Amino acid sequence: ETGVTQTPRHLVMGMTNKKSLKCEQHLGHNAMYWYKQSAKKPLELMFVYSLEERVENNSVPSRFSPECPNSSHLFLHLHTLQPEDSALYLCASSQGVTDPYEQYFGPGTRLTVT
Amino acid sequence: AQTVTQSQPEMSVQEAETVTLSCTYDTSESDYYLFWYKQPPSRQMILVIRQEAYKQQNATENRFSVNFQKAAKSFSLKISDSQLGDAAMYFCAYQTNAGKSTFGDGTTLTVKP
Repeated sequence: ETGVTQTPRHLVMGMTNKKSLKCEQHLGHNAMYWYKQSAKKPLELMFVYSLEERVENNSVPSRFSPECPNSSHLFLHLHTLQPEDSALYLCASSQGVTDPYEQYFGPGTRLTVT
Repeated sequence: AQTVTQSQPEMSVQEAETVTLSCTYDTSESDYYLFWYKQPPSRQMILVIRQEAYKQQNATENRFSVNFQKAAKSFSLKISDSQLGDAAMYFCAYQTNAGKSTFGDGTTLTVKP
């Protein structure tokens, strides 16, 4: 595996379910990100982790709970979601958060909340 | 808060021609970074080009170049000799030196053969 991988690629869940999205980066990077990409909105930054510490929480509802157990893995735990949470969730990583480090994106998880 | 505006939701260009995608941003910071990312249909988003705000020289990467006007807060992307593989959604992004990124709405580029 190379780059940034995300599983699952597609997820359908009910509003009362609990599920988790997984992201893994094989690039030796120190920073990881979660973004939400909706059809009618720009890419929204949700969380930023640097060296496994959360450095940015962009006013995301508590029904989204991130976890970064190590610098290679990032999870997004989901519970009691709403239909408006349906979107493409993108994970990204970068060498660090300072300086103009480019972000490497995963393919995304297409989430549908029914 | 920073905002990024891409005023062209859709653009089209003839193969081998040149196209310019516009981007403006609003910030009170003097030190920041700007990026153009490309998201092909059903494929991963990748970096096209980056620009450090402290550099006056416009960044260039092969057929891709930017016109960075710091005072005007403008950061347009020029694609020369357009190819079919350039068809994608292009996002302009602003990044603080603390790593917080703000993306524009995106511009969908169609390349006509």
